[in-house]
Amino acid sequence: AQSVTQPDIHITVSEGASLELRCNYSYGATPYLFWYVQSPGQGLQLLLKYFSGDTLVQGIKGFEAEFKRSQSSFNLRKPSVHWSDAAEYFCAVGALTGGGNKLTFGTGTQLKVEL
Amino acid sequence: DSGVTQTPKHLITATGQRVTLRCSPRSGDLSVYWYQQSLDQGLQFLIQYYNGEERAKGNILERFSAQQFPDLHSELNLSSLELGDSALYFCASSGQGYEQYFGPGTRLTVT
Repeated sequence: AQSVTQPDIHITVSEGASLELRCNYSYGATPYLFWYVQSPGQGLQLLLKYFSGDTLVQGIKGFEAEFKRSQSSFNLRKPSVHWSDAAEYFCAVGALTGGGNKLTFGTGTQLKVEL
Repeated sequence: DSGVTQTPKHLITATGQRVTLRCSPRSGDLSVYWYQQSLDQGLQFLIQYYNGEERAKGNILERFSAQQFPDLHSELNLSSLELGDSALYFCASSGQGYEQYFGPGTRLTVT
């Protein structure tokens, strides 16, 4: 069965500083990987996705993520954080089974941005 | 705005009651998914429907059921509600790609 680990429950960065959120996955086949962001009281917004090909993927809001198969990781990065980036970030792995498609999420990383 | 709509936004009900949550997918999306988000369980996949047929099932309780109608909207029915069913319930939809787009959620409070 697939699983996702986000080792950092909370992260605090200063505005303008760089950001890296860690994600490790476990999946038997080639994974489909996603990062979502959730602001308080809101739904989940898709930031970026990895299916195949180039291991460095670009997303919305200036985010990028790098797929490293050897490390089973898909870390999210942003060179310069803005105060509006404060939110909860979820990494997810997609599993295709029997015609179905389900996402398994990590426990999330709460990002706080200090002004 | 993802294009996925969910009603109602908030629902407060008593233990033992039954409620129905409604979801309309993005225009053209044939797949609908239901997820539950709670503090102790995190985000958990419940069930997926594709064009009216059940395609995948997760940790969905027997007290819960879902269906997808010919117009592709979906309903999640929760019965014999318990305090522990209080959570955010998300609907998501997908089209040809594998990415899922989430609605704003329904917050269920069981008292």
